[in-house]
Order: sequence, then structure tokens, then C-alpha cells
Amino acid sequence: EVQLVQSGAEVKKPGESLKISCKGSGYSFTSYWIGWVRQMPGKGLEWMGIIYPGDSDTRYSPSFQGQVTISADKSISTAYLQWSSLKASDTAMYYCARGYSSSRFDYWGQGTLVTVSS
Amino acid sequence: SYELTQPPSVSVSPGQTARITCSGDALPKKYAYWYQQKSGQAPVLVIYEDSKRPSGIPERFSGSSSGTMATLTISGAQVEDEADYYCYSTDSSGLGVFGGGTKLTVL
Repeated sequence: EVQLVQSGAEVKKPGESLKISCKGSGYSFTSYWIGWVRQMPGKGLEWMGIIYPGDSDTRYSPSFQGQVTISADKSISTAYLQWSSLKASDTAMYYCARGYSSSRFDYWGQGTLVTVSS
Repeated sequence: SYELTQPPSVSVSPGQTARITCSGDALPKKYAYWYQQKSGQAPVLVIYEDSKRPSGIPERFSGSSSGTMATLTISGAQVEDEADYYCYSTDSSGLGVFGGGTKLTVL
């Protein structure tokens, strides 16, 4: 059974760093893309970027380039999304999703809620 | 930046056909995908590559694309189809973008 299990909810202060994770199981982790999607409270889905764990090919939306870092550790079938300095506007639900292609996201994680507040 | 435009809301009665549109300049050359998101849940892929349906998705869901517009059609909408629907595609550089979402009400 294909599963993407994301790390738990986080509460952080502005300026702090954060790394959330997405662990894949039940499939060949290096053969599929992993995408990250942001959903701010009460808002729509926003495509942040994708990574191909097989060769670490990574692409970012212009809106998120330089704001976050996407990485993967194929030895433990885990993808990451990280921030070096959080802002209150980073408060959102973050989803990872498996990409059958770079666009066809067929399995999704349960989401990680990130709250940034002083 | 590239944009996909959807109507904010669509409302139908149970059993009627719901159509949700998505317009984008690159759609003549790029596939459209459709995701369903029910309240408090992760999105689910309901249509990929314009018109293909993943296994497990009811046959009442169909997709089409012509020119700069893609359309998700739900034939005989059910109350359980009430959700937000997002179209997704890529720009000329292969970077992804979601439409703004359409809230489907079935009542």
C-alpha cells in the first residue's frame, strides 16, 4: 500500500527555522516525484515545488524560490521542506504528494499544519 | 506568472450535471488535471491528462479540454460530490500552477 506520512504539527515563532518531513512507503521512492503544496487558512492550493529523489532534480515555483528548500534523503525514503527564517505568513497546511509524473499527484500525505506566531 | 482561472462557485441540484471550467493560455499545449478536496481532507486526483480517470473514481466524473479551456463534468452530481475542485497544469517551463478553486454545492 502506497503511503505518504508527514511529520506532526508545528508551532514556531517568527525568525525560527523549521524542517518538515514526508516519508514514503509501499513503492520505489526514487522512481516518483514528490511535490509540496501550501494551503493557507481558508485559501486555495499553491504549488511550491517538486523533487525527483532518484537524482535530486528540484524545481521551485517562482513564488517560493529562495523562500524554502526542498530536499530528499533516498536512503530513508523521506522528502523535506525547510525554512531558515519563518514568517507569520508561512502559517498554513503543507501537503506532500507523490508525482506519477511531475504533474499527476496520485497519493497525498495527511498534511502538516505549521503555525508561526509570536 | 501563469494563471489558471476558475469560477469561484458552482451550484447544482442532486442528479443534475455540474460543469466546472478552467481557462489558461497554455492549455492548448499542456494537460489539465483536476483535484477534489473535501472539507478538512487532503486533495484527491479525479482527472488526469485532460480526460483520464484514475481507478476508483466514479464514472460520473469526466474531463475534456478544448483550446484554452478545460472542463470537469460531473454527470448526475451527488451530495457527496460537494467539495472544492482545483484544476492544475504547468506553464511553458514545466512549473506547476493550481487554479483558484471552485466550490461545488450540491443541494
